[in-house]
Amino acid sequence: QVQLVQSGAAVREPGASVRISCKTSPSTFSVDAISWLRQAPGQGLEWLGWVSNYNGNINNVERLEGRIIMTTDTSTNTAYLELKNLRSDDTAIYFCAGDSSSTLNWFDPWGQGTLVIVSS
Amino acid sequence: EIVMTQSPGTLSVSPGERATLSCSASQSVSTNLAWYQQMPGRAPRLLIYAASTRAAGVPARFSGSGSGTEFTLTISGLQSEDIAHYYCQQYNKWPRTFGQGTKVEIK
Repeated sequence: QVQLVQSGAAVREPGASVRISCKTSPSTFSVDAISWLRQAPGQGLEWLGWVSNYNGNINNVERLEGRIIMTTDTSTNTAYLELKNLRSDDTAIYFCAGDSSSTLNWFDPWGQGTLVIVSS
Repeated sequence: EIVMTQSPGTLSVSPGERATLSCSASQSVSTNLAWYQQMPGRAPRLLIYAASTRAAGVPARFSGSGSGTEFTLTISGLQSEDIAHYYCQQYNKWPRTFGQGTKVEIK
């Protein structure tokens, strides 16, 4: 059974960047694509973007355009989310989730989440 | 974008009773709808996809129904381990969107 294992919590100052990793385990398994989502404290779920493990194609929400970078390293079965120019309202738990590379789909499985705190 | 609205915000149910959660979409999503369970401090877990298909390992007391704009998640015989937030999500159009969630608690 595929599991997604994320990197640990991070604290950043406003204006800084953060990079979160999401590794497929065991490494002999893979998912077609990875979506990134977040959940602000006490709030619901927000889809941020998607990266295909086949061809690196990406799609993300417009409001993060210019600040979000999603990449994938197929040699290590690891996906990365980088968010730049952090603001206080970026404070959230960030999740990666398995996705389809060809169709709109549900999200399964999910990583355990990475807490990102943006504070001066 | 498609707005998903869940009701009620909080649902109090006695153990063994039925819990009925609703989700409505601002436009038709056909049956391209999923339900997730999120226990406190945990990541969401897929329960239902295609509006009514249980994901692997999900107990039979969870069932989904509906199409178009109106959907229902039913928990038949609530158990203590079902205490969680439940979210619906449409995957009919970009961007994929979630409802704000229903919190299920024990009465």
